[in-house]
Amino acid sequence: DAGITQSPRHKVTETGTPVTLRCHQTENHRYMYWYRQDPGHGLRLIHYSYGVKDTDKGEVSDGYSVSRSKTEDFLLTLESATSSQTSVYFCAIGGTTYEQYFGPGTRLTVT
Amino acid sequence: DAKTTQPTSMDCAEGRAANLPCNHSTISGNEYVYWYRQIHSQGPQYIIHGLKNNETNEMASLIITEDRKSSTLILPHATLRDTAVYYCIVNEGNEKLTFGTGTRLTIIP
Repeated sequence: DAGITQSPRHKVTETGTPVTLRCHQTENHRYMYWYRQDPGHGLRLIHYSYGVKDTDKGEVSDGYSVSRSKTEDFLLTLESATSSQTSVYFCAIGGTTYEQYFGPGTRLTVT
Repeated sequence: DAKTTQPTSMDCAEGRAANLPCNHSTISGNEYVYWYRQIHSQGPQYIIHGLKNNETNEMASLIITEDRKSSTLILPHATLRDTAVYYCIVNEGNEKLTFGTGTRLTIIP
């Protein structure tokens, strides 16, 4: 399995609080991605990164920001969590022929 | 990216070959066919991809028709652990994947 970890794996937080999810890779891949998965919507891209300090928006980026200060870490921040951001969040890294390898996911509940 | 069409669900007997079809009639010449699967509560798993030639790896085989308008993922000897949702994705190889609803494959003991 590709070396991808996500932390935390589970989190419960209250509406209005900031939340940061971390994705860490040991594969030295250039591309990293954040997706969310909700029933009835499948996987949707939030943000992605194509290098250190290089990021771009995905399909559902509103309410989320990202940062990548090192190759191995890609952070997803919810500045002020809302109940609509309750979801399972997956990080992925991009392989040499654009295949993606996914982490185990973070289950976030916003109450 | 081109749209794909997959059956909603399929069953396959354990030990038999599972053949999962995918239609992608609007695929363009520089788009690849990727297959992923997602086992319940886990992250999606990359399986295989191809451009126009058939491909095989330790997990599966990918058969792409000559006109590239459809493909079939073959799991040669299905086991219970292959029960999952399988996604066929057509993509140029750029940074964005679009996951549809996939095929829910159930392996029957």
